[in-house]
Amino acid sequence: ETGVTQSPTHLIKTRGQQVTLRCSSQSGHNTVSWYQQALGQGPQFIFQYYREEENGRGNFPPRFSGLQFPNYSSELNVNALELDDSALYLCASSPEVNTEAFFGQGTRLTVV
Amino acid sequence: AQSVSQHNHHVILSEAASLELGCNYSYGGTVNLFWYVQYPGQHLQLLLKYFSGDPLVKGIKGFEAEFIKSKFSFNLRKPSVQWSDTAEYFCAVNRGGFKTIFGAGTRLFVKA
Repeated sequence: ETGVTQSPTHLIKTRGQQVTLRCSSQSGHNTVSWYQQALGQGPQFIFQYYREEENGRGNFPPRFSGLQFPNYSSELNVNALELDDSALYLCASSPEVNTEAFFGQGTRLTVV
Repeated sequence: AQSVSQHNHHVILSEAASLELGCNYSYGGTVNLFWYVQYPGQHLQLLLKYFSGDPLVKGIKGFEAEFIKSKFSFNLRKPSVQWSDTAEYFCAVNRGGFKTIFGAGTRLFVKA
């Protein structure tokens, strides 16, 4: 157990729809990062939030957005879903920006 | 492009065999280095990390890794693997900022 929980665990959406994925970080962790993990690949960095502000972003389009709340919860929103968005989405919280990450179990998103 | 390379995608060993998983990265300068492990059905979790100091770091479950700056490498080792080490192993690199880059992972299968 890492103390990081994600919901839902599985989700099926239709192309063009919007989706919100949720994460509850470990208490005291000010940093949350989101990753996309396609089948057979390592996690790809989407973005990071630190104290409720976006702290940095990977090579993902603006239709991927996020929020972080004061109660250590956060969201990943994806608009205009595409088939290639089908993947495992991982949330990871950290005590600081560049330290080790504590991962949730992931949300498996399937876009049809 | 910045990258982390893991040389083997699949490794099969018998119990008691020695393990070495390769990891190379393409950045100069100061880096924080990590190995994460994902056991079947479980979260990604930290195996060990290197920030500074002794380049030979020890992690959980008898794993160790050696940072060789001149070779841009951070290889993972274990002298004698067990069936319970069957998992997927990910090398990850952080340059001191918000972004952590993961390798594609190595699936290890240990035969009992």
